[in-house]
Order: sequence, then structure tokens, then C-alpha cells
Amino acid sequence: SQQGEEDPQALSIQEGENATMNCSYKTSINNLQWYRQNSGRGLVHLILIRSNEREKHSGRLRVTLDTSKKSSSLLITASRAADTASYFCATDAWEAGNMLTFGGGTRLMVKP
Amino acid sequence: GAGVSQSPSNKVTEKGKDVELRCDPISGHTALYWYRQSLGQGLEFLIYFQGNSAPDKSGLPSDRFSAERTGGSVSTLTIQRTQQEDSAVYLCASSILQGSGELFFGEGSRLTVL
Repeated sequence: SQQGEEDPQALSIQEGENATMNCSYKTSINNLQWYRQNSGRGLVHLILIRSNEREKHSGRLRVTLDTSKKSSSLLITASRAADTASYFCATDAWEAGNMLTFGGGTRLMVKP
Repeated sequence: GAGVSQSPSNKVTEKGKDVELRCDPISGHTALYWYRQSLGQGLEFLIYFQGNSAPDKSGLPSDRFSAERTGGSVSTLTIQRTQQEDSAVYLCASSILQGSGELFFGEGSRLTVL
């Protein structure tokens, strides 16, 4: 079963706009990660946020984590056409033997 | 190699045949995962190897699926008596750390069962 669930499932925006994707999970976690997948390719790690962190930045990416709500958000600012991809959150938890489980992903399309 | 390598990249087989998918993880990575991804869907966990510990096989969908990891390195995922519903991309990933480490993914093996 999937631990994380992304919302929305699909998002279409214009270049230059910000894109926000959300992830909810069910059990207490150690860490939460976000990955990106271009069509037909493997996943690439974007950012990791630990359970005791609330916000993290990496370039145009901003990730927040609210453990009380069991949710995380990924914000991509000033989006570019090259940001078009699917984005997945992944969590690891003691209850799951520390293995990473992935959500269903958000398919982002950035129109030029 | 520098990254996770999977082979074959594409495999077309007939229903009922057995297939083997191979994963070469990054050297020194102790954790290795297999996931399955159907078209436009998320990643379905299959199996997880961590060092010399017994693998977590809880995600294998049926007893037709098995996997092994030899010498703590190369892994082979075997699907016996393939069915059409087995058609998917099979992704392998490795990590230097147990659980919480960043995963490095291969490009996947696309399996089509006719």
C-alpha cells in the first residue's frame, strides 16, 4: 500500500508561475523525500527533509513539512518548461522497516 | 559504472514465458530496491535488500515473482509464467544508507507481455 498520496494528480501552469504539489502520509516518518521523473526515465532525487525540520530550500525548490498534519508540500518557483515532469514524494518510517514508499505522483505540465 | 544500470532496457515476451531482469547498483551501496510502475502510475514497491539482512519481500505480488542479490551487489528479478498484467516498467534503485538515504534509480526495464 502507498504511504504517500500526492495532490493534485495533474497540474498545468504557464511558464513563470509557481507550482505547488502536496503530499499526505499516514504514519509517523523519519524522513520525506521528493523525486522527479521525466517521461520514460528513472527518478531523480530532489530534496530530503527530516521529521524534525519544517522547511528546506534548494534553488527554486521549497519544501515544507507539517508532521502534525502528516503532510508536505513542494513549491517550484518561477517554473520553466523544462520543469515538466512527474513529481513523487517518498517516506521512510520505523514501522515500515525504514524502507522508502512512494506516492502516486503529480504530473506537472509547464506551458511555454 | 557511475550509476545504477539495468538490463534489458526493453523486453517483449509471450505470455507464460519466464523473464529475468538485472540490476547493477552503484558500488558500495548496501540497500537495493525493486519497484514496478505501470503506465502513468506511481511506484509499487516489490522487494528491498539491505546488506546481509533477509530481504523484505512483502511487496511481491505473487509467488511467480522472486529476486536475489548475489554477493551484496548485482540483483536479478525473475518473473515466472508471465501474464499480461505483468507488463510495466521495473525500476531498480540503490542507496548507500539504509532507508533514509537518497535513492539512485536506474532507467528501468520495460516489460511487455503479449
